[in-house]
Amino acid sequence: DSGVTQTPKHLITATGQRVTLRCSPRSGDLSVYWYQQSLDQGLQFLIQYYNGEERAKGNILERFSAQQFPDLHSELNLSSLELGDSALYFCASGPNMKAEAFFGQGTRLTVV
Amino acid sequence: GESVGLHLPTLSVQEGDNSIINCAYSNSASDYFIWYKQESGKGPQFIIDIRSNMDKRQGQRVTVLLNKTVKHLSLQIAATQPGDSAVYFCAENGGATNKLIFGTGTLLAVQP
Repeated sequence: DSGVTQTPKHLITATGQRVTLRCSPRSGDLSVYWYQQSLDQGLQFLIQYYNGEERAKGNILERFSAQQFPDLHSELNLSSLELGDSALYFCASGPNMKAEAFFGQGTRLTVV
Repeated sequence: GESVGLHLPTLSVQEGDNSIINCAYSNSASDYFIWYKQESGKGPQFIIDIRSNMDKRQGQRVTVLLNKTVKHLSLQIAATQPGDSAVYFCAENGGATNKLIFGTGTLLAVQP
């Protein structure tokens, strides 16, 4: 157990809908990363937060947004969902921006 | 239609042999590297890391080698066991960008 908690574990929703994925980092970790893993794309970096502030951005779609709250948990919001958004979404946390990152078990999103 | 999975390089080894998994990274400014192991249905698991001021780092049964001249990283696993079967990813933290970018991964298959 990495200490990173992601909810829900599974999510099935229809195209056009909006969902929120939640991540609780390890105790004491200030940095949170979000990744998308689909069958044909590997692990794609979406965004990183550190102590509540956005610090790095990857190829995150405009339909996607994220935030990190004062208690350091983070949420990834996915809107206007398309079939191609079906993937595993992982959250990782680390003590700072240039250190090891520990992953949660992921949220499997299925868009139908 | 049928989805096509990511075609990963595969390394097949006999139980008890040593394994060497290679990774070429892209950003010459990257100064921190991590190896992860991902088993089916689970999140990536931190194995070992190395900073750019080092050439070699050893852990329990694992060694990471870094060659900055040719931008190459390798993971050596001693006395490979069936439980080592997984996909292995290298990740680079690109200098000032703070992005933790993953390689495409290598599937390690350990034959009993």
